[in-house]
Amino acid sequence: KQEVTQIPAALSVPEGENLVLNCSFTDSAIYNLQWFRQDPGKGLTSLLLIQSSQREQTSGRLNASLDKSSGRSTLYIAASQPGDSATYLCAVSHSMNRDDKIIFGKGTRLHILP
Amino acid sequence: AAGVIQSPRHLIKEKRETATLKCYPIPRHDTVYWYQQGPGQDPQFLISFYEKMQSDKGSIPDRFSAQQFSDYHSELNMSSLELGDSALYFCASNSRAEVGRSAQYFGPGTRLLVL
Repeated sequence: KQEVTQIPAALSVPEGENLVLNCSFTDSAIYNLQWFRQDPGKGLTSLLLIQSSQREQTSGRLNASLDKSSGRSTLYIAASQPGDSATYLCAVSHSMNRDDKIIFGKGTRLHILP
Repeated sequence: AAGVIQSPRHLIKEKRETATLKCYPIPRHDTVYWYQQGPGQDPQFLISFYEKMQSDKGSIPDRFSAQQFSDYHSELNMSSLELGDSALYFCASNSRAEVGRSAQYFGPGTRLLVL
């Protein structure tokens, strides 16, 4: 059974710092891995999608890496801003029977201190 | 670009009532997924449909049922509502031809509150 773990569960850092969020998954049979952002009580915003054949994706100040063989991904946020405060969810699209249901981690609650 | 549409956006029900949530996928998407996110929890997969047939089933209670219609929209029917059903319900869509190559596109969610 695929399990997705995110460490740390919560993180507070001063504005301007670079930071890394970690994600691990137990079954490497994935189609892709996504990082989502979720503000309190709001929907899911897809940040980055990494296909299983890729090693990283970049969007602005965000960089996500994928090491499929070791079951790990990191989300790097450069020059953090107070507006980055949110919960960040790692999710894998699990390849079973041609279905790609998404399995989420429990998220990292990020708070950027002004 | 058109996105996944969910209705209603907010719903308040009493215990033991029924609720119907609707999802309209992105045009030309033939696969729909339902997820439930309880307070402070991560989203959990409930059920998925492809071409109007149930494709996969997750942790969906027996009190819930869902279907996909000929226009590919989907409805999640919830009966005998319990307090623990209060959650944010997400719908996502994709094209089966794109499975593995593109992401599922998520709707804004329906927030259900059971009193």
